[in-house]
Amino acid sequence: EAQVTQNPRYLITVTGKKLTVTCSQNMNHEYMSWYRQDPGLGLRQIYYSMNVEVTDKGDVPEGYKVSRKEKRNFPLILESPSPNQTSLYFCASSPTPGGQAFFGQGTRLTVV
Amino acid sequence: AQSVTQLDSQVPVFEEAPVELRCNYSSSVSVYLFWYVQYPNQGLQLLLKYLSGSTLVESINGFEAEFNKSQTSFHLRKPSVHISDTAEYFCAVRQNTGGGNKLTFGTGTQLKVEL
Repeated sequence: EAQVTQNPRYLITVTGKKLTVTCSQNMNHEYMSWYRQDPGLGLRQIYYSMNVEVTDKGDVPEGYKVSRKEKRNFPLILESPSPNQTSLYFCASSPTPGGQAFFGQGTRLTVV
Repeated sequence: AQSVTQLDSQVPVFEEAPVELRCNYSSSVSVYLFWYVQYPNQGLQLLLKYLSGSTLVESINGFEAEFNKSQTSFHLRKPSVHISDTAEYFCAVRQNTGGGNKLTFGTGTQLKVEL
């Protein structure tokens, strides 16, 4: 089954404790992205990747890092989380710029 | 730069009534247009998309959207809604040349279908 898998689904952490949210896709897609969803703001792109070792900033990259060492994986790293990063995070992948984006189930992160 | 405006944050409607969810976009280049749906506690799913060709596109569950270039709109319509259509709907645009993988979303419209 074609899918994008995020882990964990839920995470509560404390300010400053480094964390990683994993994202993996099994469709051999070149393009992958991370979004955060906040009430009244819709989805905003954090980072995206057009291929292995090719990443670029989206609209709200501050406080986040990503890596793309393998085509299937695109982890999101928060080196020092802060409460304003409490949000619902989605990973997505697509084969081409105009292709359908497939989304993961989301990761609800709470930073206290 | 590109942007998407969904003016209606919430749209309540009775079952079997028609509905229109509005979407306007702004872009300096040609775009691809999408509608995604998010059911409670789930990720986003593609509902329909416009890439080229016919300006009227349809989904398998009765929704349709029409690309209007002169009005820069991509409104979503359904002639008769069902309770199961209750969800949040997001309009999105992506440049069709270059632009990397930047998919810009609107702020979403919560469709609530009531009996």
